[in-house]
Amino acid sequence: DVKVTQSSRYLVKRTGEKVFLECVQDMDHENMFWYRQDPGLGLRLIYFSYDVKMKEKGDIPEGYSVSREKKERFSLILESASTNQTSMYLCASSRPTPLYGYTFGSGTRLTVV
Amino acid sequence: QKEVEQNSGPLSVPEGAIASLNCTYSDRGSQSFFWYRQYSGKSPELIMFIYSNGDKEDGRFTAQLNKASQYVSLLIRDSQPSDSATYLCAVKMGNTGFQKLVFGTGTRLLVSP
Repeated sequence: DVKVTQSSRYLVKRTGEKVFLECVQDMDHENMFWYRQDPGLGLRLIYFSYDVKMKEKGDIPEGYSVSREKKERFSLILESASTNQTSMYLCASSRPTPLYGYTFGSGTRLTVV
Repeated sequence: QKEVEQNSGPLSVPEGAIASLNCTYSDRGSQSFFWYRQYSGKSPELIMFIYSNGDKEDGRFTAQLNKASQYVSLLIRDSQPSDSATYLCAVKMGNTGFQKLVFGTGTRLLVSP
């Protein structure tokens, strides 16, 4: 069964901490994405990557960075966590073809206190 | 105008009825359209995609596409309480090179026994 695996299901961090969210996919997908999802705001794209070592800003990149050193792994980094970054974080992957949808990981519920 | 619009609901239907979920999109050049189901606290799960005008059926689900009207819908026949979830419409958009899925904010469906 193909999978996108996010390292943590629930995470509690303190304000100012550097936070790493890890995502690994086993489908050999070229494209990977990080979203956050908040009630009433839907899915908002933070960063995406279409190849190893490539990254592009999404709609809300401020306060975040990403790393993609290997094709299967895409990491989201919160440089200095703040309470307004409390959210559900979702990783997804896809092939770069128009008819291909995204496969999502199970999500990480991050709480910053 | 939002790129992908959905009524947030909730849409309430009795068990056994047909649930009709609607979505409009702004990019007339969009080629492919996806429906995701998301249970509370879980990640989105792809249930249907469509790219040709008309209907596409898969079990109790039917996706309908009208590109001239820029309208996509999802019909769920014989609705079950287990269908209660938020349904996200997603459209692949992008003029050149990289295309991304743009998500609506979702319609919450409630199926009562």
